Amino acid sequence: KQEVTQIPAALSVPEGENLVLNCSFTDSAIYNLQWFRQDPGKGLTSLLLIQSSQREQTSGRLNASLDKSSGRSTLYIAASQPGDSATYLCAVMSSGSRLTFGEGTQLTVNP
Amino acid sequence: DGGITQSPKYLFRKEGQNVTLSCEQNLNHDAMYWYRQDPGQGLRLIYYSQIVNDFQKGDIAEGYSVSREKKESFPLTVTSAQKNPTAFYLCASSMAASGIDTQYFGPGTRLTVL
Repeated sequence: KQEVTQIPAALSVPEGENLVLNCSFTDSAIYNLQWFRQDPGKGLTSLLLIQSSQREQTSGRLNASLDKSSGRSTLYIAASQPGDSATYLCAVMSSGSRLTFGEGTQLTVNP
Repeated sequence: DGGITQSPKYLFRKEGQNVTLSCEQNLNHDAMYWYRQDPGQGLRLIYYSQIVNDFQKGDIAEGYSVSREKKESFPLTVTSAQKNPTAFYLCASSMAASGIDTQYFGPGTRLTVL
């Protein structure tokens, strides 16, 4: 059974810092890995999707990497802003067309 | 506007009642999903449907039921058999029936048992 772990559970940084969120998964037989953002009491917004054959994806200040063999992904956020404060969720798509989610990293960027 | 809508935003249920959560999408997506989120936790899959008139159990289907009579609609019923239904419920859809692409999420329904 696929298991996804995110570290740290919470992170507080001053505005302008570059930061890295970590995600690990137990079964490397995945189709893709996705990073989502969730604001309090809201639904999820897709940030980046990395196919299993890819090593990284970039969107603006966000860069996600994937090392399938070691079961790891990182989400790099450059020049963080208070508006980046949210919970970031990692999810992997394995067999059976199912997404397995981590518990998320709650990020606070202080002005 | 294209997207996924969920209603109601807040729902209160008395013990022993069945309640139905609505999920509608106008994205022409084949696949639809229901997830449950508890405080401080990730999402857990309840049910999913890849085509009309077909659906599959997820990891925590007990106490829930679904139907998929139309492509754009995937309602979830929380039955009285679900012993701890208080949670945040999220509906999602994806373009391909295989589900191997981005999932788009609705705004969620928060269910509270009184």
